[in-house]
Parts: sequence; C-alpha cells; structure tokens
Amino acid sequence: NAGVTQTPKFQVLKTGQSMTLQCAQDMNHEYMSWYRQDPGMGLRLIHYSVGAGITDQGEVPNGYNVSRSTTEDFPLRLLSAAPSQTSVYFCASRSQPPRSGNLYEQYFGPGTRLTVT
Amino acid sequence: AQSVTQLDSQVPVFEEAPVELRCNYSSSVSVYLFWYVQYPNQGLQLLLKYLSGSTLVKGINGFEAEFNKSQTSFHLRKPSVHISDTAEYFCAVSVSLSGYSTLTFGKGTMLLVSP
Repeated sequence: NAGVTQTPKFQVLKTGQSMTLQCAQDMNHEYMSWYRQDPGMGLRLIHYSVGAGITDQGEVPNGYNVSRSTTEDFPLRLLSAAPSQTSVYFCASRSQPPRSGNLYEQYFGPGTRLTVT
Repeated sequence: AQSVTQLDSQVPVFEEAPVELRCNYSSSVSVYLFWYVQYPNQGLQLLLKYLSGSTLVKGINGFEAEFNKSQTSFHLRKPSVHISDTAEYFCAVSVSLSGYSTLTFGKGTMLLVSP
C-alpha cells in the first residue's frame, strides 16, 4: 500500500491564481481530511469528508473548496490564492467505526508546501 | 468545544536523559487523547492513544503517556531519549469516536536532543 499520497510536494503561486492540491489513499478509508500547518499554530482542520459525496467544514475553511466523488480521492481547491494561504498542507485518512483494528488512527500524507507571493 | 494546550513550545534535552512533554486539555465531556510525532519534512505519525481502560498507555519507540482525568492532562514521557527522537510532538483530542468526530491539535512541542 502507498498509504496517503499528496501532489505536488512544493508549489509557488501568485496572488489570485487557483490550484488544486491532490490527495489519494489506497486503504479504503471512508474518512479523509485536510489540515494546514503554520509555525506555532499546530495543525488546523480545513475540511473533512466521511465518505463519497459528504463533506463538511473544519476550523479554517474560508478560501478552500473540497469535493469527494470517490473513496480514494479528496482534492483541495484554492480558487483565488492569497498570501495568508502560505502554509504546509496535510491530507489524512482513517477508517470509520465500527471497523476495529487501528481504530481512530489517522494516516497522514507527506505534505504540500505552498507559497503564495 | 475541546481545546489542547501544550505547555512548552521547545524542550531541549541531552541524549539518554528522561523527558516529559506536557499536554493539558479542556472539555466538558469525555475525551479521547492522542500523541503524534512529526520528523523533519515528514507527515505525522501516531505515537500512542488513550481511548479507554488503563490510564497508562504505551506507544512506539519507548514512549508512554498517562491520562489524568482530575488534572485534565495527558503528558508524554520517555525514560531515556535518543538523538533520533528529535522531532515535533503534537497532542490531540477528540470528544467522540463517531464517524463525524474531528481531532483538535495542540500547537506542538519541539523536542531537541543533543549529544
């Protein structure tokens, strides 16, 4: 299993540009989420999904859109990038209750480092 | 809403010394607690978790944590650290194990192990 994969690893955007951060997992996990990590702020939840067709907002959703058309993929879209969106973005997935095993363990991707100038 | 406070942003320690990374949480309901580790330029990896049962939880790489409900704490400990333990450590809390539950992370503690 590749686990959780994210592309690209690095990206530089100009203010106002749009882009999509890709996230895919091959563990058949229902739950997927996006976080941003900023120095001294920890990880903050942007959006999450509990299954195909179902998404919800997290703590910092403004400026980001998501959709979930398949179990495997959960892309994050920036419609009009702003310097405040300069951050490292992590995608994560986990299996849903009542599946046992590694209950509630979230698996994280390697991250995308985004700079908006 | 739940919240997590990691009391130290940085903890320097010498190799083979013991270490404790502190985590306090705030919640009006029962909580489920986690510690994650992030090595440089990598994603996060689960170290250990408390869901129920014994309040002393053992994790990977020799780490353990103790859930203290009265103190609302979940401090992470290791009796003897290695250089390879240098990383950022995140405490996280959830108030539910339902499918819709989310994790709230602390701001992280950087553990710096020197020879």
